[in-house]
Amino acid sequence: DTGVSQNPRHKITKRGQNVTFRCDPISEHNRLYWYRQTLGQGPEFLTYFQNEAQLEKSRLLSDRFSAERPKGSFSTLEIQRTEQGDSAMYLCASSPGQTYGYTFGSGTRLTVV
Amino acid sequence: TQLLEQSPQFLSIQEGENLTVYCNSSSVFSSLQWYRQEPGEGPVLLVTVVTGGEVKKLKRLTFQFGDARKDSSLHITAAQPGDTGLYLCAGDRTGNQFYFGTGTSLTVIP
Repeated sequence: DTGVSQNPRHKITKRGQNVTFRCDPISEHNRLYWYRQTLGQGPEFLTYFQNEAQLEKSRLLSDRFSAERPKGSFSTLEIQRTEQGDSAMYLCASSPGQTYGYTFGSGTRLTVV
Repeated sequence: TQLLEQSPQFLSIQEGENLTVYCNSSSVFSSLQWYRQEPGEGPVLLVTVVTGGEVKKLKRLTFQFGDARKDSSLHITAAQPGDTGLYLCAGDRTGNQFYFGTGTSLTVIP
């Protein structure tokens, strides 16, 4: 297992366009998390899946954001009608359980111009 | 408003010096973790502490969870340039997610 994989690593998009990011977690991990991190700050929680069920969403996740995890495997995070304020690093993490800690991917750096 | 406040926010020290980073909250956590993050990469888990007063050591790093499980500290002995990075604490309150602190950016100068 090569860890948590995120694609793409970098994405530059024009304001108003839609973008989609993919996360492939560690295969044995049933928990998957999305976080957003701006420069010099700690990651902020966006949403959490246990298997295919999305169990919690942050209020940061406006109606322009949607996340899926079909069949409890990989996950996608889509941002519609991107805004400059969406520019950030989007991190995906997986875990076999809450007390085990997260394994993070390398993130997707989004720049909205 | 951040649930976990870390101090200092920035720290620049000479190789060989000791340092302590603090993670404080008014909330009680069932467990707390420390991560280190390098530029352009995701955070990497260093340690998990779950019992009030618990102390864990990882080579030159010593982690302590406060007795009331509201705060934690990370002490590094004889810092090395390879310790440079963003140190993040993260606490679990709900069982569904970890809340991350504001981060401490450490630079160790050779």
